[in-house]
Amino acid sequence: AQSVSQHNHHVILSEAASLELGCNYSYGGTVNLFWYVQYPGQHLQLLLKYFSGDPLVKGIKGFEAEFIKSKFSFNLRKPSVQWSDTAEYFCAVNSYNFNKFYFGSGTKLNVKP
Amino acid sequence: EAGVTQSPTHLIKTRGQQVTLRCSPISGHTSVYWYQQALGLGLQFLLWYDEGEERNRGNFPPRFSGRQFPNYSSELNVNALELEDSALYLCASSAPPGGNEAFFGQGTRLTVV
Repeated sequence: AQSVSQHNHHVILSEAASLELGCNYSYGGTVNLFWYVQYPGQHLQLLLKYFSGDPLVKGIKGFEAEFIKSKFSFNLRKPSVQWSDTAEYFCAVNSYNFNKFYFGSGTKLNVKP
Repeated sequence: EAGVTQSPTHLIKTRGQQVTLRCSPISGHTSVYWYQQALGLGLQFLLWYDEGEERNRGNFPPRFSGRQFPNYSSELNVNALELEDSALYLCASSAPPGGNEAFFGQGTRLTVV
């Protein structure tokens, strides 16, 4: 079965630090990749997505992610985090072949002011 | 455009009872997904409905069931509630064809006492 792994469960950073959250998936076929964010008390929102084309994807709020097919990875990055980035981040994958969203277990990011 | 709506927002039930959660997808979306977000366990896939049919279900016991109506709204039913069913239940919808991004509702917070 397909799976998504997020290796960092809890990350604590100071404001202005750089962020990289890891995401690896297990499906060998063509995939669509997503990062979702859940701010405290709010619903899950799409941060960015990759369907095809340029493997470096830019999302909202200065986030970007790079799809590396050979590594089955889709890591999320932000050069300089802000306190308002404190949230839980979920990586997800689906495919036109199985059309079911597989989510990682999530990474809680705590940004200290 | 209205987003995915879920009702009720909060619910308290006693062990052994039954509960029904409701979800209205975004207009034009035919797929509805249900996820359980229990504390510290990330998003666990429950059910996927598309065009009125159950397409896939996660690793949950049969007392978790649901259906999708002709207007694509959906219900999640949980029978014989157990304490560990306490969680945030999230509904998401996506548009055809398969592989598109999912849009999430605010969720229903179920507490079983």
